Amino acid sequence: GNSVTQMEGPVTLSEEAFLTINCTYTATGYPSLFWYVQYPGEGLQLLLKATKADDKGSNKGFEATYRKETTSFHLEKGSVQVSDSAVYFCALSSAETSGSRLTFGEGTQLTVNP
Amino acid sequence: NAGVTQTPKFQVLKTGQSMTLQCAQDMNHEYMSWYRQDPGMGLRLIHYSVGAGITDQGEVPNGYNVSRSTTEDFPLRLLSAAPSQTSVYFCASRDTRGTGNTIYFGEGSWLTVV
Repeated sequence: GNSVTQMEGPVTLSEEAFLTINCTYTATGYPSLFWYVQYPGEGLQLLLKATKADDKGSNKGFEATYRKETTSFHLEKGSVQVSDSAVYFCALSSAETSGSRLTFGEGTQLTVNP
Repeated sequence: NAGVTQTPKFQVLKTGQSMTLQCAQDMNHEYMSWYRQDPGMGLRLIHYSVGAGITDQGEVPNGYNVSRSTTEDFPLRLLSAAPSQTSVYFCASRDTRGTGNTIYFGEGSWLTVV
């Protein structure tokens, strides 16, 4: 079956530091890959997505590249801000999971200190 | 532009009580689903629906019922609440147009069963 593995958290960084949150996946076929963000007390928001190999998703300074050869979709940001403090979820959907259900990773808590 | 709307946002139940979490979307999405979020486990799929009159089970369906009488609404029923159902619940709907299988989430319902 499908699975998503994220790097263990929590992650604590200083403002303007470089961020990487690792995500690897197992899936049959060609899944679509997503990063969702959950700010404290709020629901999930789609941060970025990629639908095929070598696609790069980007939004709000975050980016992730769909690497089929390493089955990875690592999230990066060059300079984090305090406002980026949130929980980040990597997820995939595939036609195999009827209706394109999302399979989520465990989530990574990011705290950015001023 | 309401998107996916969930109610209530917070609820406390006693063991054995029943309740319904409401979910409505105004985007004419065919696919809707319910997830629960628990610490260290990401989000897990409870039930989903690919259209009005059609529902199916996800990963963790026990203790929950759903129905889909209209495209817009997808309520989740807890028939006899148990402390193990203390969780954050998210309703989601899927945009089947275009590419990428983007799934949109409501803001969540925080449920505590005592």
